[in-house]
Amino acid sequence: QEQLVESGGGLVKPGGSLRLSCAASGFTLSNYYMGWIRQAPGKGLEWLSYISLSSSIIYYADSVKGRLTISRDNAENSLYLQMNSLRVEDTAVYYCARRWGSDDSFDLWGQGTMVTVSS
Amino acid sequence: DIQLTQSPSSLSASVGDRVTITCRASQSISTYLHWYQQKPGKAPNLLIFAASRLQSGVPSRFSGSGSGTDFTLTITSLQPEDFATYYCQQSFSTLYSFGQGTNVEIK
Repeated sequence: QEQLVESGGGLVKPGGSLRLSCAASGFTLSNYYMGWIRQAPGKGLEWLSYISLSSSIIYYADSVKGRLTISRDNAENSLYLQMNSLRVEDTAVYYCARRWGSDDSFDLWGQGTMVTVSS
Repeated sequence: DIQLTQSPSSLSASVGDRVTITCRASQSISTYLHWYQQKPGKAPNLLIFAASRLQSGVPSRFSGSGSGTDFTLTITSLQPEDFATYYCQQSFSTLYSFGQGTNVEIK
């Protein structure tokens, strides 16, 4: 079945870096825009970024622009999020999601990976 | 940036109740508005896309309406499995955003 599985989360010190991965299975990643959304503990959802099929179109939320970089490897059916200069407030569960349809909702989500930024 | 404001932030309801959640956008977003359900410890699940279109596999007791700036998610006859947090999301702008969420609790 169609599935997204995130990995790469963990504990990192403030100022550190982390690279998250999202592996797609059961469908062809290259046919879809993909995005990242996060959720801080006990808080709501925050959209972070999305990337087009060929990586030619990329957008970031203002809150993370310049520190996060989204990328994809269609041959590997994988999506990535490089996170630099991490702050305590970046602590959250990070979800990858598939953008779908002409109205651009997110119809398929991974289970999430936890990132904790703490000294 | 487009802000989405949901109301109420939380509500208590009983099984069988009709529940209505609203989402107001800070500017017109046509029908680029989607609704998600999230249960504790789980990823969000798409319920309604394009304001009023039911996602495949979602029970028909869920419905959405609205356009422009005002949108509504309605659950007719609330079921035990519907107790969860609901979020709206806009994709009209190139910078997406979510509402703050509405927690539906058991009365």
